[in-house]
Amino acid sequence: EDQVTQSPEALRLQEGESSSLNCSYTVSGLRGLFWYRQDPGKGPEFLFTLYSAGEEKEKERLKATLTKKESFLHITAPKPEDSATYLCAVRDSGNTPLVFGKGTRLSVIA
Amino acid sequence: NAGVTQTPKFQVLKTGQSMTLQCAQDMNHNSMYWYRQDPGMGLRLIYYSASEGTTDKGEVPNGYNVSRLNKREFSLRLESAAPSQTSVYFCATHRGGTEAFFGQGTRLTVV
Repeated sequence: EDQVTQSPEALRLQEGESSSLNCSYTVSGLRGLFWYRQDPGKGPEFLFTLYSAGEEKEKERLKATLTKKESFLHITAPKPEDSATYLCAVRDSGNTPLVFGKGTRLSVIA
Repeated sequence: NAGVTQTPKFQVLKTGQSMTLQCAQDMNHNSMYWYRQDPGMGLRLIYYSASEGTTDKGEVPNGYNVSRLNKREFSLRLESAAPSQTSVYFCATHRGGTEAFFGQGTRLTVV
C-alpha cells in the first residue's frame, strides 16, 4: 500500500528564514511525486512533478528535490505570501490515483 | 478556460437528505476523481473514473455513489447524508501520468 508522510505538520518562520519541508514515501514503483500548494478555502494548486531520484525543480523561492525514499521542498528567504499548506502526493506505477500526505501548514511572519 | 468546475460551492443538508455534487472539466482528460478533505486527515480518495464508462472505489467510498456521465462530467451522490459526511469535497482530473488539476471545492455541512 502506498504511503506518504509529511513533516512537520506545521512550521512557523520569520520572513527571510529559509527552511525545508519533508515528504517521505513508500510505493512499489514511483511514477511521479507531486507538490501542491493550497490556500485556505481553495483547491490545491500544482507546483512541481519529480519523476526520478536526483531530479530537482525550482520556481521562485521554492526548490523541490527527490531521493529514492523522500522529497524535500526547500523554501529560500520566504515571504508572508508563501504562507499556505503544502501537499505532497505520489502516483504508483500505472494510471493510478494520487495518494496524498496530510500536508505541512506553513506560516511566514513579517 | 475554466479547467475544473464544481457546483455547488456551499451546501447545508439535514441528516437523511440526498444531494448530488457536480463536476465538469474542459481539459479533455480521461481520468476524474472525487476526494474529501477533513482537518488532520488530508485528501482521501472517495471514487475515481479512469475513463468514460468506468468507475472504481477509493479509500473511503461508503455512503457515496458516482456517475461518469460523459468524458466531461463526473458526479458524486450522497443518498442519505450523515453528519460524518460533513467535509470539503474536491473533484480533480488528470491526463495519464501527469499532474492532477483540482476544482475549488464544495463545502458540505450535514446537520
